[in-house]
Amino acid sequence: AQSVSQHNHHVILSEAASLELGCNYSYGGTVNLFWYVQYPGQHLQLLLKYFSGDPLVKGIKGFEAEFIKSKFSFNLRKPSVQWSDTAEYFCAVSRGVSGSARQLTFGSGTQLTVLP
Amino acid sequence: SQTIHQWPATLVQPVGSPLSLECTVEGTSNPNLYWYRQAAGRGLQLLFYSIGIDQISSEVPQNLSASRPQDRQFILSSKKLLLSDSGFYLCAWSVRPPSMGELFFGEGSRLTVL
Repeated sequence: AQSVSQHNHHVILSEAASLELGCNYSYGGTVNLFWYVQYPGQHLQLLLKYFSGDPLVKGIKGFEAEFIKSKFSFNLRKPSVQWSDTAEYFCAVSRGVSGSARQLTFGSGTQLTVLP
Repeated sequence: SQTIHQWPATLVQPVGSPLSLECTVEGTSNPNLYWYRQAAGRGLQLLFYSIGIDQISSEVPQNLSASRPQDRQFILSSKKLLLSDSGFYLCAWSVRPPSMGELFFGEGSRLTVL
């Protein structure tokens, strides 16, 4: 069975600091990769996704993620965080060409706290 | 536009009591529907998955059950709650395959079993 690892459970940064949240998965075949975010009091929502093509994908609010196949990684980055980025971030992976949502495996999440 | 709602948002129930959490989707037809449980530090665990009315798949053995009486309605139930059922439950929907794994989540329901 595939697994998704998010090594940082809680990250605390000051505003304007750079962010990188790690995500590694175990499946060796074709994968579809996602970052979801849950802001305080809001729905869990999609931040960005990778299916194919350019391994550097850009999402909403200045976030980007890079798919490095050789490292089985899909790390989330932002050059300069804001207080409003405080949220819980989940990496998720689905397998195969169609990437059925039923096969979506989530990481354990990383709580990001940005200090003003 | 599509929307998803689930309720109640918060529920406190005694051990042994029944449970019913409801989820409805609007603005789309024939969605795939999901119930997840989110435990602190453990990510999201898929509990049930449905591709249509009365078509439910259980992903993990447990004290809970799910039903889909209408195309856009998904209900999570239990006849007798256990302490271990406490948690944060999320309903979600996706388009029919190939959904590419993109899910749209409800607000969540926090269940505390005492």
